[in-house]
Amino acid sequence: EDKVVQSPLSLVVHEGDTVTLNCSYEVTNFRSLLWYKQEKKAPTFLFMLTSSGIEKKSGRLSSILDKKELFSILNITATQTGDSAVYLCAVRTSGGSNYKLTFGKGTLLTVNP
Amino acid sequence: NAGVMQNPRHLVRRRGQEARLRCSPMKGHSHVYWYRQLPEEGLKFMVYLQKENIIDESGMPKERFSAEFPKEGPSILRIQQVVRGDSAAYFCASSPSGAAGTATGNTIYFGEGSWLTVV
Repeated sequence: EDKVVQSPLSLVVHEGDTVTLNCSYEVTNFRSLLWYKQEKKAPTFLFMLTSSGIEKKSGRLSSILDKKELFSILNITATQTGDSAVYLCAVRTSGGSNYKLTFGKGTLLTVNP
Repeated sequence: NAGVMQNPRHLVRRRGQEARLRCSPMKGHSHVYWYRQLPEEGLKFMVYLQKENIIDESGMPKERFSAEFPKEGPSILRIQQVVRGDSAAYFCASSPSGAAGTATGNTIYFGEGSWLTVV
């Protein structure tokens, strides 16, 4: 069975801190890894990663994938209170069920002023 | 550009009643997915539908749960004779084609969820 594990499950930091969220996976026929931000409503898409070693960046957020070690990290620099959310990692596989996303349980990030 | 629209946002049902959750996909999207999020759990795939067809319902409980996506109108997730364990957030998502996540333009987009509470 495909498995996605995120760590830590929760994290509390102060504004301005830098955080690193982890996502490891065990799946057959890996295709891509996606990061979402969920703030008590719709998960919103952040990044999709398919190749190892290529960093994706969007403002203060960045993410990278290591397909050899089967993990990804999401970095947030200079955190703000608006970054408080659950960050979800999901993996998509290729083959017959390539439409299906397998999610981790998420990391709850709380940024205090 | 309206996103994925779900209603109701919150629904309270007594044990044994029926719950109907509706989802209108993004404009131009013909593929709909339902995911369930139990307390302190990740989102779990339930069912994948195209217009008038169920493609994969492998994640849906065999009894009491059904889903449809008619030619006209929204997709409906129906839960009959609800039990306390059905209390969860039910998220609908849509994509332009079925290979969700193959390219940036085909990323799957989620609705804001319907929170079902069974009392």
